[in-house]
Amino acid sequence: EAGVTQFPSHSVIEKGQTVTLRCDPISGHDNLYWYRRVMGKEIKFLLHFVKESKQDESGMPNNRFLAERTGGTYSTLKVQPAELEDSGVYFCASSQGVYYEQYFGPGTRLTVT
Amino acid sequence: ELKVEQNPLFLSMQEGKNYTIYCNYSTTSDRLYWYRQDPGKSLESLFVLLSNGAVKQEGRLMASLDTKARLSTLHITAAVHDLSATYFCAVDVPNTGNQFYFGTGTSLTVIP
Repeated sequence: EAGVTQFPSHSVIEKGQTVTLRCDPISGHDNLYWYRRVMGKEIKFLLHFVKESKQDESGMPNNRFLAERTGGTYSTLKVQPAELEDSGVYFCASSQGVYYEQYFGPGTRLTVT
Repeated sequence: ELKVEQNPLFLSMQEGKNYTIYCNYSTTSDRLYWYRQDPGKSLESLFVLLSNGAVKQEGRLMASLDTKARLSTLHITAAVHDLSATYFCAVDVPNTGNQFYFGTGTSLTVIP
């Protein structure tokens, strides 16, 4: 069974540019999560989808971040315009249901210069 | 805000030695997870602890959970180089939206 995949693995962009990160969850997992780890700090929750609906987006830092999950399969996280403090590793996770174990992807390392 | 404190942040140990990583959290929960991450790889699930007193072992790693003390430990026995990685604990708190709260991670280096 394929795990959670993320694309790209690395992205280097300039301040003010736009970047879109993609996450493909494990097949059949309705729950999809985005997390972020900034500068060696703890991994922090961004948002949670159940199928195509946003269940909880309390961790989204500001309106420069837009997450979508059209059709309830893969998800994208767009940062527009990117700022220096957005640099970090963005992780995606999926689970079979709420309060089930979450399976993580390898992350996308975003560097904003 | 829920806090998850993990220590030490960095751990360098010799092969064959024993050590313990600690994970303290600030609110009631009986659901705790340990993950391992190798550079550039996914967070790999190590242990799922779902009740007070839960103890699980896999190879040289053993994890335990004390929900009354709000403490989980990851004990390493007779370390080997292959255990070098970053280890994270994560707490799942019911009624907080199903998000995981992570510790800062422990970067473990096992020296031959």
